Amino acid sequence: DAGVIQSPRHEVTEMGQEVTLRCKPISGHNSLFWYRQTMMRGLELLIYFNNNVPIDDSGMPEDRFSAKMPNASFSTLKIQPSEPRDSAVYFCASSLARGQPQHFGDGTRLSIL
Amino acid sequence: AQKVTQAQTEISVVEKEDVTLDCVYETRDTTYYLFWYKQPPSGELVFLIRRNSFDEQNEISGRYSWNFQKSTSSFNFTITASQVVDSAVYFCALLSPSGNAGKSTFGDGTTLTVKP
Repeated sequence: DAGVIQSPRHEVTEMGQEVTLRCKPISGHNSLFWYRQTMMRGLELLIYFNNNVPIDDSGMPEDRFSAKMPNASFSTLKIQPSEPRDSAVYFCASSLARGQPQHFGDGTRLSIL
Repeated sequence: AQKVTQAQTEISVVEKEDVTLDCVYETRDTTYYLFWYKQPPSGELVFLIRRNSFDEQNEISGRYSWNFQKSTSSFNFTITASQVVDSAVYFCALLSPSGNAGKSTFGDGTTLTVKP
C-alpha cells in the first residue's frame, strides 16, 4: 500500500519566492495534518483537516502561510512570500479516523536562502 | 489543556544495554490515546504503538515494551538489549478526541544514541 506521498523532497529557493508543498494522503484516510520540524521548535502542528475541511489552523505562523485541501486525495501548503526563517522540514500526515495513529510522509526539506 | 513531557532530551547507551524512555502526559479527558513514534536519522516518522486510556495492559513487541500507568500519567517505552539501529529520536504523543478531535500533542522527543 502506498503511504503518504509528499513532493518535492527537497526545495531550495530564494527569499521572496512562492513555495508550494504537496501531499497525497493514504486513500481512505479522512484526516490530514501539516507539521513543521526545526531544531529550535521541534515538531509543530500547523493545520489539520477532517474530511477536507480545515479544523484547526491555529498553528499557522502568519498570513504568509496557507493550506488547501480541494479533495480527499490532495493537499497543498503554500508560503508566499518565503523567508529564511521558514527553512525547516515540513511533514504531511494522515490518519484513518479519530483516535487512529498518524502516518507520515517522508517530509519536504525546505531551504530559503 | 493537553501536555506531553519527555524529560530526557538525550540518552546515550552502549549496545545491549536496556533503556527506558519516559513520557508523562496531562489531560482532563477520561478518553484519550497515547502513541509512540520513531524518527531515525533518515528523517521519516514511524508509528510504533497506540494505547487507549481504558487499556492499561503492558505491551511487548520483540525488544520493545510499553508500560502505561494511569495513576502516574505515564507511558514509558523500554528497549531491551538495545542495538545501534535503535538510534533515533522518539516522540510520545497524546490524542484526546474531544475538543479539537484528531489533533495530537507531541512531546519534544528523546534522542537515543546507541553506541557499538
